Amino acid sequence: QQQVKQSPQSLIVQKGGISIINCAYENTAFDYFPWYQQFPGKGPALLIAIRPDVSEKKEGRFTISFNKSAKQFSLHIMDSQPGDSATYFCAASREGNQFYFGTGTSLTVIP
Amino acid sequence: GAGVSQSPRYKVAKRGQDVALRCDPISGHVSLFWYQQALGQGPEFLTYFQNEAQLDKSGLPSDRFFAERPEGSVSTLKIQRTQQEDSAVYLCASTQGRGAGNTIYFGEGSWLTVV
Repeated sequence: QQQVKQSPQSLIVQKGGISIINCAYENTAFDYFPWYQQFPGKGPALLIAIRPDVSEKKEGRFTISFNKSAKQFSLHIMDSQPGDSATYFCAASREGNQFYFGTGTSLTVIP
Repeated sequence: GAGVSQSPRYKVAKRGQDVALRCDPISGHVSLFWYQQALGQGPEFLTYFQNEAQLDKSGLPSDRFFAERPEGSVSTLKIQRTQQEDSAVYLCASTQGRGAGNTIYFGEGSWLTVV
């Protein structure tokens, strides 16, 4: 049973465009929602994270939008760059005891 | 150390062979996780330690998988009698403590191929 569902599986965006990746969860006990970026041959690295008491968090070109009632959250990458090409994973956690990951989105930003 | 360190980075094992994968977490980090990542998939939870106590091992796929962290620092994931379906990247991660909002830091993984 997939605790966190992620879409799309792959995404191609023109340089300068907006990349949007969506995730949905079922367990309302989750209290921490991070996004990870993974380059080939590397471990996932934390990009940005949000708690359910806020609806949006922005760090540079990266924004998380969180909809608690719909149990959905999304990552927006503004002004996408070729260097952003990577696989992105959303995740959800309850009290930091276990992290459930989405299946990943492969992002390609074309020049 | 500066980050989570895993060894070996790459391991090729013959089917039936036992393997041991080592994880050295960030110094002082209380919580340690093991994840399995198949090609093109997200990390799947295997087990979780708080200090030396293994609090959750619900993700271990079979009794061939065993993890330990005897002194609350370095951890070893052991896979006995490896099978082809065990081929994956095994990721170790650590966090400073319990509680929501703790950033989880991943190592670069141990890539296991069973032939």
